[in-house]
Amino acid sequence: DTAVSQTPKYLVTQMGNDKSIKCEQNLGHDTMYWYKQDSKKFLKIMFSYNNKELIINETVPNRFSPKSPDKAHLNLHINSLELGDSAVYFCASSQTQGARVKLFFGSGTQLSVL
Amino acid sequence: AQSVTQLDSQVPVFEEAPVELRCNYSSSVSVYLFWYVQYPNQGLQLLLKYLSGSTLVKGINGFEAEFNKSQTSFHLRKPSVHISDTAEYFCAVSEIQGAQKLVFGQGTRLTINP
Repeated sequence: DTAVSQTPKYLVTQMGNDKSIKCEQNLGHDTMYWYKQDSKKFLKIMFSYNNKELIINETVPNRFSPKSPDKAHLNLHINSLELGDSAVYFCASSQTQGARVKLFFGSGTQLSVL
Repeated sequence: AQSVTQLDSQVPVFEEAPVELRCNYSSSVSVYLFWYVQYPNQGLQLLLKYLSGSTLVKGINGFEAEFNKSQTSFHLRKPSVHISDTAEYFCAVSEIQGAQKLVFGQGTRLTINP
């Protein structure tokens, strides 16, 4: 079983559309994240949820809205997509106690905005 | 705030040669240090981490890294590389206190030539 799974793997869409990326983890972790990797491979955190509570919210346009229905899921909804949103989006999870800050990453969602 | 600089964007080496990937960080507080590896079209996997104790840490796949506090460095080494080590390598830091947020370097593309 995949520990952190994201869907879809590829997403191609037109400017102005609204799209969602889903993420699920079966590791029993209490913290989940969204990271954005740009075309130069630079990775930057966007959001983090701990027990369904938003704990990290970096400077991200409010067109991006994360939603955590439960500890095992963290979805990312993007409104009014722009060309600059094209990137690979990674979901990750970790457990607060124990192996602190060891993140488990999903395999990424490549978003292409045309 | 923390920052991470990976001094080489690309490192080509021949198979069975030694390699060192350089990482320097900047932080006003104590940090944990990490190296992650990203194979093509995959998410990131943890190679090794430094939390405390011995400054030489060993990770998976024969990699090791040494924490040097005075030089604020955490260079990654492997004495003999294999074709399968071809990947993107990311150095990262996280504050010991506070929210679990990894700050990544720009990545180093390691290419192993036969």
